Amino acid sequence: NAGVTQTPKFQVLKTGQSMTLQCAQDMNHEYMSWYRQDPGMGLRLIHYSVGAGITDQGEVPNGYNVSRSTTEDFPLRLLSAAPSQTSVYFCASSSKGSNQPQHFGDGTRLSIL
Amino acid sequence: GDSVTQMEGPVTLSEEAFLTINCTYTATGYPSLFWYVQYPGEGLQLLLKATKADDKGSNKGFEATYRKETTSFHLEKGSVQVSDSAVYFCALTSNTGNQFYFGTGTSLTVIP
Repeated sequence: NAGVTQTPKFQVLKTGQSMTLQCAQDMNHEYMSWYRQDPGMGLRLIHYSVGAGITDQGEVPNGYNVSRSTTEDFPLRLLSAAPSQTSVYFCASSSKGSNQPQHFGDGTRLSIL
Repeated sequence: GDSVTQMEGPVTLSEEAFLTINCTYTATGYPSLFWYVQYPGEGLQLLLKATKADDKGSNKGFEATYRKETTSFHLEKGSVQVSDSAVYFCALTSNTGNQFYFGTGTSLTVIP
């Protein structure tokens, strides 16, 4: 049972480069989310999706794009990387319903030089 | 809007000491409340949850009670172990369940 799988685990980019962080879940969850984790700031929501074809912005969406073409996959795109986007990125998924917990991937550690 | 406030860390305890990590929340309606644990280099794992007032969530010796009158969900453990060293996050879901709101996390170190 793989759960939520994120790739890559580590990445170093130069300012201005673009890249896609991959997230896949095999639990048939409707909801998926992307967070960034920075020291002293907890987790901040970037984008989320309540189902295939539906996405919405979270607290810190600028500089990131998402799409949800299938239930399983929810990639996060950095359009033009900036040093301020150096962070640890977590993808999470959950079943529909306010009492359902989120399941997290192991994270992608991203450094922008 | 909805939010979670948890006690600042870091917290350092001796093995077998009693642990309390405070968490209070602001929310409209009746949120579900969660505690997550994050071990070094890993993602967050669900520790326990409570979905309505006066519910007690428990797991691995940890407990938390959903107190609507004080809007709190404090995490407790009677006797901590070195293996409990981690970062603990309090969280709630919005009424629709679309979004989670996390506290800033409390780092716990347990020394032998």
